[in-house]
Amino acid sequence: GAVVSQHPSWVICKSGTSVKIECRSLDFQATTMFWYRQFPKQSLMLMATSNEGSKATYEQGVEKDKFLINHASLTLSTLTVTSAHPEDSSFYICSARDLGNIYNEQFFGPGTRLTVL
Amino acid sequence: DAKTTQPPSMDCAEGRAANLPCNHSTISGNEYVYWYRQIHSQGPQYIIHGLKNNETNEMASLIITEDRKSSTLILPHATLRDTAVYYCIVRVAPDTGNQFYFGTGTSLTVIP
Repeated sequence: GAVVSQHPSWVICKSGTSVKIECRSLDFQATTMFWYRQFPKQSLMLMATSNEGSKATYEQGVEKDKFLINHASLTLSTLTVTSAHPEDSSFYICSARDLGNIYNEQFFGPGTRLTVL
Repeated sequence: DAKTTQPPSMDCAEGRAANLPCNHSTISGNEYVYWYRQIHSQGPQYIIHGLKNNETNEMASLIITEDRKSSTLILPHATLRDTAVYYCIVRVAPDTGNQFYFGTGTSLTVIP
């Protein structure tokens, strides 16, 4: 089946630094990837839709200058949390849309846990 | 996309069938019902989806009512590894946006 990976799986950083999270589709091409954030005991919240070769589309209330998304290839999207603060600590999950599937299924990565000290 | 309503939590005895309900009374004719689950600290995992007919795969069965306003996900023989949060999502597929909007889901606990 389609596999999506994320790197790193867990990152701890100091307040004020920037953190980059990678999302890769390993065995399929994904022109569209999605980034979610999940706080403890809460559901996933869609942050943005990442389209290969174009600017990402952000959900209402998500700061595009703080959460930089780059989707430079059909298998890689990156999320950079700039000037991270403790309130940015969360579980970040990406998903990739498999164009080879007739239902355009999404497959989710394992998530990246970000802890900002 | 249509809004879904699920019970916040359920328990099920190991080896028994787990029946997870979902209400989607405002579902449109071209919207599918998808089920995903999320085991603690992992990404969501696809389970099954359907439009109006009942569906079955190696993981589960999906029963959709005739009026399509509700559905039930059935795990026929629940194991401890099925303990997870189960999300019912309705959306158009395929569609240009393809976004998933997750509700609060049902936290299923399988009891030994």
